[in-house]
Amino acid sequence: DVKVTQSSRYLVKRTGEKVFLECVQDMDHENMFWYRQDPGLGLRLIYFSYDVKMKEKGDIPEGYSVSREKKERFSLILESASTNQTSMYLCASSLLGSPGPQHFGDGTRLSIL
Amino acid sequence: GQQVMQIPQYQHVQEGEDFTTYCNSSTTLSNIQWYKQRPGGHPVFLIQLVKSGEVKKQKRLTFQFGEAKKNSSLHITATQTTDVGTYFCAVNYGGATNKLIFGTGTLLAVQP
Repeated sequence: DVKVTQSSRYLVKRTGEKVFLECVQDMDHENMFWYRQDPGLGLRLIYFSYDVKMKEKGDIPEGYSVSREKKERFSLILESASTNQTSMYLCASSLLGSPGPQHFGDGTRLSIL
Repeated sequence: GQQVMQIPQYQHVQEGEDFTTYCNSSTTLSNIQWYKQRPGGHPVFLIQLVKSGEVKKQKRLTFQFGEAKKNSSLHITATQTTDVGTYFCAVNYGGATNKLIFGTGTLLAVQP
């Protein structure tokens, strides 16, 4: 089974802090994704990556950046956290090619105070 | 821009009743996926539909892709309490990207 592991289940940070969310997958998937999930809005794509050091903006990239130095690891960075970035963050991975199933981690519930 | 409408937002049923959620796009889709998210859990892939008019079944769940490839439905026959959760459609518009756009989801509550 595919395992997608997010470093923290819950995280509390302060406004203005630089925040790192880590995601690791163990199935050698080329694609990795970061979403945020908010009530009534579904899942919105922040960034995705289809290869090491490659990244593409999703629908809501403002205020975020990403890093993919190794195939199995995809990091989401909040450069200067703000209260409107309080949310559930979900990481997912999938094989390259015509969109196949995305496998999700358990999520990180991030609160910015 | 591309929009994905999912209705209803919420459905409350008695156990044993049927349930249907609909996903509509303003633009022709390449393919569509369906996911289920249990309360407190993460989205789990259910199925992918690719062909126009395609119908797939998984036990009590029936998935359909519209002839024009702009809409899809998920129907659950005789709901059970284990069906509780939020059902999301996720669409792909084709091209070089593997990007999915998720619908807003339908939350299903099942009363025993």
